[in-house]
Amino acid sequence: KAGVTQTPRYLIKTRGQQVTLSCSPISGHRSVSWYQQTPGQGLQFLFEYFSETQRNKGNFPGRFSGRQFSNSRSEMNVSTLELGDSALYLCASSLVDRDAGELFFGEGSRLTVL
Amino acid sequence: AQSVSQHNHHVILSEAASLELGCNYSYGGTVNLFWYVQYPGQHLQLLLKYFSGDPLVKGIKGFEAEFIKSKFSFNLRKPSVQWSDTAEYFCAVNAQPNAGKSTFGDGTTLTVKP
Repeated sequence: KAGVTQTPRYLIKTRGQQVTLSCSPISGHRSVSWYQQTPGQGLQFLFEYFSETQRNKGNFPGRFSGRQFSNSRSEMNVSTLELGDSALYLCASSLVDRDAGELFFGEGSRLTVL
Repeated sequence: AQSVSQHNHHVILSEAASLELGCNYSYGGTVNLFWYVQYPGQHLQLLLKYFSGDPLVKGIKGFEAEFIKSKFSFNLRKPSVQWSDTAEYFCAVNAQPNAGKSTFGDGTTLTVKP
């Protein structure tokens, strides 16, 4: 069974640009959530999508957005990039119907903003 | 809002030493509790989980954790660590069963000296 796949793995952007990250969950997983991981802040919850609807949202500005497609694949977008957006962005999928929130993580997309 | 506190940021042990990593959470309702591990160069993966029942849960690689409801704690233990246990360990709480919003502690980096 394939794991959670995130693309791209690494990317470099400059301030003011925007970026789109992609996540393919484990087959059969309907929930996809996104986390930002930084050395100073740890893992911070961005948002969660289930059945193409945003079900939970963390405390991030509106520059951070996401969506989920009918095949459960998800994308997140960050507009008007700032230096502080440099981080590892992790996608996690979950079965939801059972295993009560056990998360399966991808390897992450490492974003560097210059 | 829920929060998770991990007591130690960095722990250094020699092989065969015993390990205990502290985790306390703040939330008044029913929670599901997790420990995730991130080995160097690898993605986050589940170490063990507690949903209900026996408060002493066993995970992979000889790890165990005890849920003490009265203390809002979920400490991770291993009787004898190995060099291969060198990793970063995250405690997480999910207060919404069947949802992808987990709150993570800041992580504890464990270094095991051979």
